[in-house]
Amino acid sequence: DAGVTQSPTHLIKTRGQQVTLRCSPKSGHDTVSWYQQALGQGPQFIFQYYEEEERQRGNFPDRFSGHQFPNYSSELNVNALLLGDSALYLCASMGQENYGYTFGSGTRLTVV
Amino acid sequence: SQKIEQNSEALNIQEGKTATLTCNYTNYSPAYLQWYRQDPGRGPVFLLLIRENEKEKRKERLKVTFDTTLKQSLFHITASQPADSATYLCALDAPGNTDKLIFGTGTRLQVFP
Repeated sequence: DAGVTQSPTHLIKTRGQQVTLRCSPKSGHDTVSWYQQALGQGPQFIFQYYEEEERQRGNFPDRFSGHQFPNYSSELNVNALLLGDSALYLCASMGQENYGYTFGSGTRLTVV
Repeated sequence: SQKIEQNSEALNIQEGKTATLTCNYTNYSPAYLQWYRQDPGRGPVFLLLIRENEKEKRKERLKVTFDTTLKQSLFHITASQPADSATYLCALDAPGNTDKLIFGTGTRLQVFP
């Protein structure tokens, strides 16, 4: 049973560019959340998707947007990249039982 | 706003001893609290969830306590092994009956032989 799959694993972008990160949730999970983790910090909640709708959002600017597809997979888009967007971006999925999240290994984004 | 503090950035203990990590929170009462393990360059791995009406939860060598009066959770690893070396994150559900998690900054545990 595959867990959460994220792609790509690493990415280098230039300031001002746009990036799309992808996530496939664990089989049977329908809720997907995205987190940003800066070095030495805990993950920070970006937003959550359920039934293809953004259900909750953290304190992130509108440059951060997302999407969930009918097969529950999800994308995170970041526009007008800033140096401060460099971080590990984590996708987490959860099933109806709401018993702990399953996280992917993340995408390491470096903005130069 | 909600604040979560984990007792120290790093904890070094000898193999075979019990490691005890602390998570303190302020400004609200969570419905549940979770502990995760994170290895370098990897995503967090869920370990245990404890609800507000539970005092203690165990899983193999792991034990979590939850004191809603002290606003504190303790995470214990008994008979620690070098393989237990990792960063351990405490996370609470955000106010408003949501699935959003608020994480602490983590405690880096090093178990040496």
